[in-house]
Amino acid sequence: DAGVIQSPRHEVTEMGQEVTLRCKPISGHDYLFWYRQTMMRGLELLIYFNNNVPIDDSGMPEDRFSAKMPNASFSTLKIQPSEPRDSAVYFCASSIRGGRETQYFGPGTRLLVL
Amino acid sequence: EDKVVQSPLSLVVHEGDTVTLNCSYEVTNFRSLLWYKQEKKAPTFLFMLTSSGIEKKSGRLSSILDKKELFSILNITATQTGDSAIYLCAVGYYGGSQGNLIFGKGTKLSVKP
Repeated sequence: DAGVIQSPRHEVTEMGQEVTLRCKPISGHDYLFWYRQTMMRGLELLIYFNNNVPIDDSGMPEDRFSAKMPNASFSTLKIQPSEPRDSAVYFCASSIRGGRETQYFGPGTRLLVL
Repeated sequence: EDKVVQSPLSLVVHEGDTVTLNCSYEVTNFRSLLWYKQEKKAPTFLFMLTSSGIEKKSGRLSSILDKKELFSILNITATQTGDSAIYLCAVGYYGGSQGNLIFGKGTKLSVKP
């Protein structure tokens, strides 16, 4: 099993640019979560999907952030325009019905906005 | 406001020591408590606890939940340098956004040779 796959692993961009992060959940998992981790705030849930449908996006910091899940095997998190305070590690995680709180995390994308 | 608080924030021990990490919570409609280990990359799942007083064990790691006093502990015996990591506690709850987890800030454990 390949686990949760995220790309890119590292991203350096300039303020104002659009950033797109990608995630492939574990096959058969029907929940997908996007998290952000910083030293100051720890791990924060941004949004999660169940069966490709966004269920709770209350953690999305502002309108500059958007997420989609067009099918069961792919999700994107987009930041447009990016700002230096968006610099963080972004994790994608997935879980399976009946054990949805046992979440399996991807390796993360380390984002630096200059 | 729901919250999960871990202590200590950081801990330095020597190989062979036993450590106890703490997690207290105030979460409405508590469902479960989870422990994760985070090394340089992503958090990896350790335990999920739903019932008080039942110890879960995996090798040198063990954890127990007290739903009356609203806390959990994670014990690591005979620590090794490979145990160095951030240990995250998270609480799941019923209702509202099911499947959501509230994470603590973590305890950073450093095990010196």
